[in-house]
Amino acid sequence: EDQVTQSPEALRLQEGESSSLNCSYTVSGLRGLFWYRQDPGKGPEFLFTLYSAGEEKEKERLKATLTKKESFLHITAPKPEDSATYLCAVGGATNKLIFGTGTLLAVQP
Amino acid sequence: DTAVSQTPKYLVTQMGNDKSIKCEQNLGHDTMYWYKQDSKKFLKIMFSYNNKELIINETVPNRFSPKSPDKAHLNLHINSLELGDSAVYFCASSRDFNSGNTIYFGEGSWLTVV
Repeated sequence: EDQVTQSPEALRLQEGESSSLNCSYTVSGLRGLFWYRQDPGKGPEFLFTLYSAGEEKEKERLKATLTKKESFLHITAPKPEDSATYLCAVGGATNKLIFGTGTLLAVQP
Repeated sequence: DTAVSQTPKYLVTQMGNDKSIKCEQNLGHDTMYWYKQDSKKFLKIMFSYNNKELIINETVPNRFSPKSPDKAHLNLHINSLELGDSAVYFCASSRDFNSGNTIYFGEGSWLTVV
């Protein structure tokens, strides 16, 4: 059964303090691993798709990486506006997108 | 222009009532979805339609009935609402039903059953 586990559940950082969020997954026939950002009262906002192990993508202070078992979302020198819940999801051979429960990130000024 | 739009954003209703949530996408996508997000933020797929045809139905109670009049619209009708139906319901769409395609979400409909 496809499964996604995210850690930590919550993370508090000082502004400028870099860190990483983890997404461990098991999936039959990976077709894509997705990162989303969700702000309170909003829908998930797409950040990245990774398709194969070794792939990396960057956007501003965020960098996503992928191995055969996990993905990391690296946040470099975060700002308070990076505070949000970050969701990881995998799409596999079942053609269903399976989500993790997210990491709630709080960046304090 | 909002890519995936759903209405209403907030809905408070009594147990036993029937309610509908409407969704429209202007991305030209073939596939649309309904997801449910519980109080712990867990997002779970309920239904998926591709070109107006139901392709995924995730053991959702029969009280939930999706309807897709055309590929740009997917509505969700809920009969005999129960307290446990309180959640956030997200409509979403993707280019097609291949799970390697990015899914784009609406802003959500907050349903509270009292």
